[in-house]
Amino acid sequence: KAGVTQTPRYLIKTRGQQVTLSCSPISGHRSVSWYQQTPGQGLQFLFEYFSETQRNKGNFPGRFSGRQFSNSRSEMNVSTLELGDSALYLCASSPGTGPRHEQYFGPGTRLTVT
Amino acid sequence: ILNVEQSPQSLHVQEGDSTNFTCSFPSSNFYALHWYRWETAKSPEALFVMTLNGDEKKKGRISATLNTKEGYSYLYIKGSQPEDSATYLCAFPYSGAGSYQLTFGKGTKLSVIP
Repeated sequence: KAGVTQTPRYLIKTRGQQVTLSCSPISGHRSVSWYQQTPGQGLQFLFEYFSETQRNKGNFPGRFSGRQFSNSRSEMNVSTLELGDSALYLCASSPGTGPRHEQYFGPGTRLTVT
Repeated sequence: ILNVEQSPQSLHVQEGDSTNFTCSFPSSNFYALHWYRWETAKSPEALFVMTLNGDEKKKGRISATLNTKEGYSYLYIKGSQPEDSATYLCAFPYSGAGSYQLTFGKGTKLSVIP
């Protein structure tokens, strides 16, 4: 089975621009979660989608949004980029939603905001 | 604010040494405790999902124990090898509005010196 894929792998954007990141989960996985990783904060939960519905959202401003399509692929969007949005963005898929499902992570998208 | 604490922050051991590190989490509203290994330039990979107090899980030379009453889990590596060098993360599923989000500790970075 192919693993979780994320595109693009690297991205450089300017402050004020917007960006869309894409995630394709493992075939058959219906849950996709997004995380932000920064050196100071570690891995922080952004949101989870399951069957095209946002199940949960972390403590991030409304500039961060996402969606999930009927094939379980997911996108996240960050509008009006700030320097502090520079981070590694990881998505993870899981067969189901719930506390006992392990997450399968993609390689991440490294976003640099200048 | 949910606190998931890991100690030590980093660890250097000689090849062949055994080592262990700790994850502390809230002892109330426990559903599960996840351990992940994150090697440099790779994606985080699930090691264990632990659910029962007193649980002990093993994968090769790596094992983990769980104490939900006092809110801690230990990860042990027996006979460390250079390929064990990685950051080890624990994650606690936090329940909010009927769904769950993983709260990660900041990790223990293990370096095994050949």
